[in-house]
Amino acid sequence: QQPVQSPQAVILREGEDAVINCSSSKALYSVHWYRQKHGEAPVFLMILLKGGEQKGHEKISASFNEKKQQSSLYLTASQLSYSGTYFCGFTGANSKLTFGKGITLSVRP
Amino acid sequence: EAQVTQNPRYLITVTGKKLTVTCSQNMNHEYMSWYRQDPGLGLRQIYYSMNVEVTDKGDVPEGYKVSRKEKRNFPLILESPSPNQTSLYFCASSLSRGSGANVLTFGAGSRLTVL
Repeated sequence: QQPVQSPQAVILREGEDAVINCSSSKALYSVHWYRQKHGEAPVFLMILLKGGEQKGHEKISASFNEKKQQSSLYLTASQLSYSGTYFCGFTGANSKLTFGKGITLSVRP
Repeated sequence: EAQVTQNPRYLITVTGKKLTVTCSQNMNHEYMSWYRQDPGLGLRQIYYSMNVEVTDKGDVPEGYKVSRKEKRNFPLILESPSPNQTSLYFCASSLSRGSGANVLTFGAGSRLTVL
């Protein structure tokens, strides 16, 4: 069962902040975040493990709420280069990584 | 350079004509996987391989075959392609499938059109 990502799309201006959410109906062991720019392959951003700390990458950080089976990706002071599709992926007890449908984020000048 | 290489990058074919999409990685990764990406559906796993000669179905395996005879290669075979297999395909690999270690490196993608 795919994780549910929200909102479906985000449009913001350079310098604005955004939050992308990801939730699962199953118990989770880790959360992965990938970004895919138009016409390119997905690229790993970060991984959050059960019981682990909030992670950061550039001005992008993420949190993992194990009890709620949710993760959020925080983009601070967004840059044009942040535009793309963001995928979250969850692993369960069998370590199978299942991706959500992705969220399109557009940063405009 | 550490990478996952897929070929062909673009292919237009006709229904029923067998084709193979090759995937090769140079990172000595144990785990390899194939995904298809369709608008509004995200990345869905087709097949994966934990190691040489060990393969298993993902979420959408119908109409596909794979093999893993060597650690570096993981070809995707469409024995009799149909139009609903028109998609963007990605091969990916990781060191292992453990939850903390399975950071995936993706190939550049192969866009397949079946007429």
